[in-house]
Amino acid sequence: DAGVIQSPRHEVTEMGQEVTLRCKPISGHNSLFWYRQTMMRGLELLIYFNNNVPIDDSGMPEDRFSAKMPNASFSTLKIQPSEPRDSAVYFCASSRASSNQPQHFGDGTRLSIL
Amino acid sequence: AQSVSQHNHHVILSEAASLELGCNYSYGGTVNLFWYVQYPGQHLQLLLKYFSGDPLVKGIKGFEAEFIKSKFSFNLRKPSVQWSDTAEYFCAVNGNAGNMLTFGGGTRLMVKP
Repeated sequence: DAGVIQSPRHEVTEMGQEVTLRCKPISGHNSLFWYRQTMMRGLELLIYFNNNVPIDDSGMPEDRFSAKMPNASFSTLKIQPSEPRDSAVYFCASSRASSNQPQHFGDGTRLSIL
Repeated sequence: AQSVSQHNHHVILSEAASLELGCNYSYGGTVNLFWYVQYPGQHLQLLLKYFSGDPLVKGIKGFEAEFIKSKFSFNLRKPSVQWSDTAEYFCAVNGNAGNMLTFGGGTRLMVKP
């Protein structure tokens, strides 16, 4: 059973560039979560979707960040324009839409903005 | 709003020592509780979970956790740690309708060989 698949695993780019992170949730999971992890701020929930609909985006830091889920098997997190303070590991997680279901995490994308 | 506190930010133990990591949450209703582990350079993995029933929950790799409702706690324990347990441990709670988790700040465990 394939887990949550994220791409790319690593991204290094210059500030001002657009960055797109991708996530494929586990088949059958209808909730998807985007997190950001840094040493300073720890693990932060950015946004989550149920059945492809954004439910809570209060964690999205600013308008430079946007997320979409066009279908049940794909989501993107976009940063435009990127800044050095966006450097972090971005995790995608998915779960079945029930409160007693655990979230399954992808391997993350390590993003470095120069 | 619910919140999760992990009071120990860093813990250093020698191999074979016993481990207990504290987790307290604030939420007055029914909760679902989780412990996740993140090994260096890896993603978060589920260690164990509590939904209902026996408050003593056993997970993978010899870990267990006890839900004490009166103390709003869900502490993680292991009788004898190994060097390979070096990792960051996160407690998480779900107390709302829906499945959004609130994570604690994490505890970094270092086990000295």
